[in-house]
Amino acid sequence: DAKTTQPPSMDCAEGRAANLPCNHSTISGNEYVYWYRQIHSQGPQYIIHGLKNNETNEMASLIITEDRKSSTLILPHATLRDTAVYYCIVPSGGGADGLTFGKGTHLIIQP
Amino acid sequence: GAVVSQHPSRVICKSGTSVKIECRSLDFQATTMFWYRQFPKKSLMLMATSNEGSKATYEQGVEKDKFLINHASLTLSTLTVTSAHPEDSSFYICSAPPRPSGEQYFGPGTRLTVT
Repeated sequence: DAKTTQPPSMDCAEGRAANLPCNHSTISGNEYVYWYRQIHSQGPQYIIHGLKNNETNEMASLIITEDRKSSTLILPHATLRDTAVYYCIVPSGGGADGLTFGKGTHLIIQP
Repeated sequence: GAVVSQHPSRVICKSGTSVKIECRSLDFQATTMFWYRQFPKKSLMLMATSNEGSKATYEQGVEKDKFLINHASLTLSTLTVTSAHPEDSSFYICSAPPRPSGEQYFGPGTRLTVT
């Protein structure tokens, strides 16, 4: 899998947008960027994925730079329930293959 | 989204016994499922790939004779931890992709404690 770099932790105020960055400078042209999150003591949850166009779903938006070397996950109106570890993953074998989890970003939403 | 379940959610067993963990895809069929384990304050580590109708493939360093995987049907994979020891105590999580390419859905995890 392409190496990804994320800040170890971030704080965000409840109700504000949370912007989580990820660097993936070695990404190949046909590799997707996936985001998952893990709330404490639960299994990971799929959030969103994209190739080169920006993507939005009911959970979040994904902004991928034009050179595809970095991306930002945006939670538009963070709530306390969004406190979790967020993982940015670029699987070389495709999203349906076994995943390599890095350390992720521990996002803490402050009341 | 798709739903994956695991059973049991928690299990405590004595050293030397075996424990079976089930992973089910509830609303889709999965020819492939994945097993991970997670130690406290660490990230998930892929253990093995469970293949319906064929042998599982294991990641380097994972003992296939200790962690037996059976993918009995398109909706069920089981992980059996044989002769469990306290160092096997961990959070075991499975995942499955609803489609050959695309996202994966994870089970809620099984907390194994070996005493």
